[in-house]
Amino acid sequence: IAGITQAPTSQILAAGRRMTLRCTQDMRHNAMYWYRQDLGLGLRLIHYSNTAGTTGKGEVPDGYSVSRANTDDFPLTLASAVPSQTSVYFCASSDSIESPLHFGNGTRLTVT
Amino acid sequence: GQNIDQPTEMTATEGAIVQINCTYQTSGFNGLFWYQQHAGEAPTFLSYNVLDGLEEKGRFSSFLSRSKGYSYLLLKELQMKDSASYLCAFMDSNYQLIWGAGTKLIIKP
Repeated sequence: IAGITQAPTSQILAAGRRMTLRCTQDMRHNAMYWYRQDLGLGLRLIHYSNTAGTTGKGEVPDGYSVSRANTDDFPLTLASAVPSQTSVYFCASSDSIESPLHFGNGTRLTVT
Repeated sequence: GQNIDQPTEMTATEGAIVQINCTYQTSGFNGLFWYQQHAGEAPTFLSYNVLDGLEEKGRFSSFLSRSKGYSYLLLKELQMKDSASYLCAFMDSNYQLIWGAGTKLIIKP
């Protein structure tokens, strides 16, 4: 079934540890995104990639990094996790920057 | 600046009609999206409006007025499965999506 796969589904992480959230899509979409969703707030864009080989910073990029080595994969790395990074993280993709987003099922991350 | 606002929570009765409003302010506009998000799940796309007027898609319709910075999502013949959060988001001049916090819709039998 075509779509976006995120891993892990959930994770409890000690502060200071490094963590990579994985995201893979098989729809050959050009654009990919990482959002975080916190209670009472709208989805906030962390990083994005309009096409393989390029990345850009979103609204809340600090403490996160991404890479886009190929069309399908868009991992998000927390270099040194802090409790304020506790959130639900959604990866999304779209055929173009104007197209609707397809979302993965999310990763629930708790930093203690 | 840019901002977007929608009600936090609404309650409606099964079989009825509900309208969820969304207002926004922005200097550049490239369309407005509505997404549905069931608890614990990913958002899924419902509708996109870039021109003024009503777009109908089965039981769901979405309306846009660019001059008023206003959109609504209309849900008819409500079913229990429509209980979810409804997210509106506009696309700014840089094609970045600015998201509302979502409206939690509770359907009562």
